[in-house]
Amino acid sequence: DQQVKQNSPSLSVQEGRISILNCDYTNSMFDYFLWYKKYPAEGPTFLISISSIKDKNEDGRFTVFLNKSAKHLSLHIVPSQPGDSAVYFCAASVGGSQGNLIFGKGTKLSVKP
Amino acid sequence: GAGVSQSPSNKVTEKGKDVELRCDPISGHTALYWYRQSLGQGLEFLIYFQGNSAPDKSGLPSDRFSAERTGGSVSTLTIQRTQQEDSAVYLCASSFFTGWRGYTFGSGTRLTVV
Repeated sequence: DQQVKQNSPSLSVQEGRISILNCDYTNSMFDYFLWYKKYPAEGPTFLISISSIKDKNEDGRFTVFLNKSAKHLSLHIVPSQPGDSAVYFCAASVGGSQGNLIFGKGTKLSVKP
Repeated sequence: GAGVSQSPSNKVTEKGKDVELRCDPISGHTALYWYRQSLGQGLEFLIYFQGNSAPDKSGLPSDRFSAERTGGSVSTLTIQRTQQEDSAVYLCASSFFTGWRGYTFGSGTRLTVV
């Protein structure tokens, strides 16, 4: 039973446009959410996080939105660049920033020049 | 070291053999995690070490899997009597216990059981 779901396995976007990656979760106890980016043959790297007490967190071109009532979060990348092409994983945890993370299956983003 | 180091980077083993995978976390990181990613799947939590506390083994898929962490630093994940379904990329990560901004992952060990 998947607690963190990324329903789109892939997404293709034109360079300069907005990329929107979506993530849904089922466990209402999750209180900390993160996005990771993964290039082939490398480990995932931390991108951005958000606590459940917030509904938005912004870091440069990356913004994460959290809708607790819908149990949904999204990652916006504006403007998208070819170097953003990677697999993006959504992750969630119970108990704030500690403990193990539950990951989604990932969405492969392709940004075309 | 500067990052999380895992060895070997690739391992091919015969079904039924035992394998050991090694993880060197970032110096000073008290928390260490093992995950695996099977083909087309997300990252599956296996085990979590935090300081001197008893590890959280809730993600280990069977008793063929075990892990230890010596001296609060290096960790070894052991898979006994490997099966083909064990084929995956095994990822190790470490973090500070408090105030962390996400784990730092190693590049993983790609295990292929033939």
